[in-house]
Amino acid sequence: GAVVSQHPSWVICKSGTSVKIECRSLDFQATTMFWYRQFPKQSLMLMATSNEGSKATYEQGVEKDKFLINHASLTLSTLTVTSAHPEDSSFYICSAPDDLRGDEQFFGPGTRLTVL
Amino acid sequence: GDSVTQMEGPVTLSEEAFLTINCTYTATGYPSLFWYVQYPGEGLQLLLKATKADDKGSNKGFEATYRKETTSFHLEKGSVQVSDSAVYFCALRNTGANSKLTFGKGITLSVRP
Repeated sequence: GAVVSQHPSWVICKSGTSVKIECRSLDFQATTMFWYRQFPKQSLMLMATSNEGSKATYEQGVEKDKFLINHASLTLSTLTVTSAHPEDSSFYICSAPDDLRGDEQFFGPGTRLTVL
Repeated sequence: GDSVTQMEGPVTLSEEAFLTINCTYTATGYPSLFWYVQYPGEGLQLLLKATKADDKGSNKGFEATYRKETTSFHLEKGSVQVSDSAVYFCALRNTGANSKLTFGKGITLSVRP
């Protein structure tokens, strides 16, 4: 199956700093990638849809200036949490549908962010 | 809006026990329904899916039937194994929703030897 990687797998940062998370499709191209946030014992909440070569589409209630998304190539999307605060601590997951297969989405292993 | 409701967990079973995980949904139109599984330390993987009413998805001994009349997509397995221990998510994707998935809360299954 198609593989999606995320880097880093975990990160600890100080309050006020910015953190960048990478999502890569390793063996397929993805014009669209999705970013989710998962709180403990809760569902995955879609944050935004990342579109290659254009602006991301954010879900209602998600601050686009806080969660910067860049989809510069067909295999890479990045999520930057700017001026992070403890309430941003969470598990961030990306997914990508394989453009050639259409239906199925492939998920990255997630990134655990802890803001002190 | 669309929503998915899963039964509360966690669930602990002995090996070879019968498994049912309930999932109901609310959606307009005719959504596709999915079960995803997340093994420890790994990303979500598609377990099975059904795209229309009365379809049955199956994989690795797991089954789920798309029931439009009860808006349900319950996951079943006749005999669970220790290796089935994981978190299970029910999800839907509505038509014309450019592949956006709506997830349930997930349920943790632990299978004892």
